[in-house]
Amino acid sequence: ELKVEQNPLFLSMQEGKNYTIYCNYSTTSDRLYWYRQDPGKSLESLFVLLSNGAVKQEGRLMASLDTKARLSTLHITAAVHDLSATYFCAVDMDSNYQLIWGAGTKLIIKP
Amino acid sequence: ETGVTQSPTHLIKTRGQQVTLRCSSQSGHNTVSWYQQALGQGPQFIFQYYREEENGRGNFPPRFSGLQFPNYSSELNVNALELDDSALYLCASSWGPGLATHNEQFFGPGTRLTVL
Repeated sequence: ELKVEQNPLFLSMQEGKNYTIYCNYSTTSDRLYWYRQDPGKSLESLFVLLSNGAVKQEGRLMASLDTKARLSTLHITAAVHDLSATYFCAVDMDSNYQLIWGAGTKLIIKP
Repeated sequence: ETGVTQSPTHLIKTRGQQVTLRCSSQSGHNTVSWYQQALGQGPQFIFQYYREEENGRGNFPPRFSGLQFPNYSSELNVNALELDDSALYLCASSWGPGLATHNEQFFGPGTRLTVL
């Protein structure tokens, strides 16, 4: 059974600081997705990582994928309040196009 | 290009009732997935429809059922509602097998279901 674990589950940080969210998964997959969810809202696609060593950046967020370690990271640089949200990673089940989700990391960035 | 839409936005039902939730997929997408998201948790996969056929199911009982129509819109039906069915129900559309090499899913705004 594929399991996806995120840590930390909760993160409170000051504006201007850097931090990393980790996403570990338990079986072979080379497709990983990061989503953002604001309170009471739906999920917004942030990054699609499709191969070992993939790195993508958008603004202050950078995501990477290491399929050998079964690990993806979401790095936040010089955090700003607008990045406060819950961040989810999800992994593709190769056989049937299902996504298995982590529990989410709730990020609070204090001004 | 229109995004994924869902209706209704909110719904209140009582135990034992039945509910139907609706989803219109994004233009060009032929696959719809349904998720249940309880408060403070990640989405749980209910099932996926590809070209009007069920294409995989998560760990949900048979009282959760669905349909996909020729225009790729979809319905989620839940019978004999239980209190634990209270959640945000999310629909996501994507390019299915044969149209894409990956499974980036685009989500609708969700339906908040409350069961009393």
